Amino acid sequence: GIQVEQSPPDLILQEGANSTLRCNFSDSVNNLQWFHQNPWGQLINLFYIPSGTKQNGRLSATTVATERYSLLYISSSQTTDSGVYFCALRYGQNFVFGPGTRLSVLP
Amino acid sequence: KAGVTQTPRYLIKTRGQQVTLSCSPISGHRSVSWYQQTPGQGLQFLFEYFSETQRNKGNFPGRFSGRQFSNSRSEMNVSTLELGDSALYLCASSPEGDQPQHFGDGTRLSIL
Repeated sequence: GIQVEQSPPDLILQEGANSTLRCNFSDSVNNLQWFHQNPWGQLINLFYIPSGTKQNGRLSATTVATERYSLLYISSSQTTDSGVYFCALRYGQNFVFGPGTRLSVLP
Repeated sequence: KAGVTQTPRYLIKTRGQQVTLSCSPISGHRSVSWYQQTPGQGLQFLFEYFSETQRNKGNFPGRFSGRQFSNSRSEMNVSTLELGDSALYLCASSPEGDQPQHFGDGTRLSIL
């Protein structure tokens, strides 16, 4: 099956700092999403980005499908950005999640 | 437009019992998928339903089953509960299978 890796596993930032989260996958995919899971367990869609670049406020994402990776950029981080960030992709008929990056933003 | 609704939010059961969880997708969405999230295994795909048919199934024992109704609402059933079934169960819907998934708030199941 497909392997999905995320790095770093944990990240601690001061409020206002920028960060880049990475998602690597081992095979071709045609559907990639980024999610933020807040401390209450809610999974929130950030981006649907099978390829290319998208931006939404302080967040942006880039997927280079031919090189099998995706990046999530968070600029001017806020304490409310804390939580776990997952990339997830459809591989065949399955939807596979990466292990996540746990982000803590300190005031 | 209302989001994905999962009920109940919290549930406590004992070993050997069975449980049924419910998921109402976003209006117009025909695909419903279920996931189990545990600290040790992360988020794992259980199964996907589309137009009342199970389209795919993850690597879980037969104690985990589901169904989808004609209005796209879905239920998941777990029989003969084990301690290891304690988890957050998440449901997601999408218009078709290969489109962005939208998640509900989950049902947190605790087995005593």
